Amino acid sequence: NTKITQSPRYLILGRANKSLECEQHLGHNAMYWYKQSAEKPPELMFLYNLKQLIRNETVPSRFIPECPDSSKLLLHISAVDPEDSAVYFCASSRREISNERLFFGHGTKLSVL
Amino acid sequence: GQQVQQSPASLVLQEGENAELQCNFSTSLNSMQWFYQRPGGSLVSLFYNPSGTKHSGRLTSTTVIKERRSSLHISSSQTTDSGTYLCALELNNRIFFGDGTQLVVKP
Repeated sequence: NTKITQSPRYLILGRANKSLECEQHLGHNAMYWYKQSAEKPPELMFLYNLKQLIRNETVPSRFIPECPDSSKLLLHISAVDPEDSAVYFCASSRREISNERLFFGHGTKLSVL
Repeated sequence: GQQVQQSPASLVLQEGENAELQCNFSTSLNSMQWFYQRPGGSLVSLFYNPSGTKHSGRLTSTTVIKERRSSLHISSSQTTDSGTYLCALELNNRIFFGDGTQLVVKP
C-alpha cells in the first residue's frame, strides 16, 4: 500500500524522544493513529477529521499527535516506556468513521529497550 | 473486545479446503468490515459490508444485521491465505475489532 506511507518502518528506542510520520495520498479527510500490541487487535489512539482532533482515547500524555495538514499526521513520543513496544498504524477514511471504509498504512514497529 | 466475538480463534486447513469465519456482535451496528493481516504486516481491507452479501474472488462476506452476525467464507484455500482475519464493527463513530481468527493453510 503506497497510498498511506509511514516512517520510519522500524524504531528502536531507549528513553528518547521521536516522531512518527504518516502521509496519505487518498484525499481522505479523517486520519487515525492505532496501536497494535503483540497478538492483539488494533486499538484507537487518536482521530483527526479535517485537521481537528475529534477523539483522544485514554493514551499516556507522552504521546502527542499533530496534524499539520489534512494529508499528514505525526505522533510525537517522549520518554518511551517498555509498554509502548508495539506497531503503530496510521489509517485514513474519506470522512469520520461512520459508515466509511478504513485504510491502513504499513505501520511503524517500535521496540523499546 | 466484548462487542465483537470472532470464531474460531484459530483454524488449520489443507490447501483446497473451504473456511467459514464468524463474527458475532452484541449490539446493532452502522457498518462491518473484514481485514486481513499477515504476521508483521499491515491490515488490508477485504470487505466493507454493512449488510447483505459481497463477493471478491474466492472470498464472500455475508452480514445479517437481524441475527447480529457476519461471516467470511474462503473457498479453495491457498497457502497464501494464511494469516489473521479481523472483523470490525462500527457503532456510534467507534470501531470495535474482534480478536481475530488465525488461519494456517498447509500445502
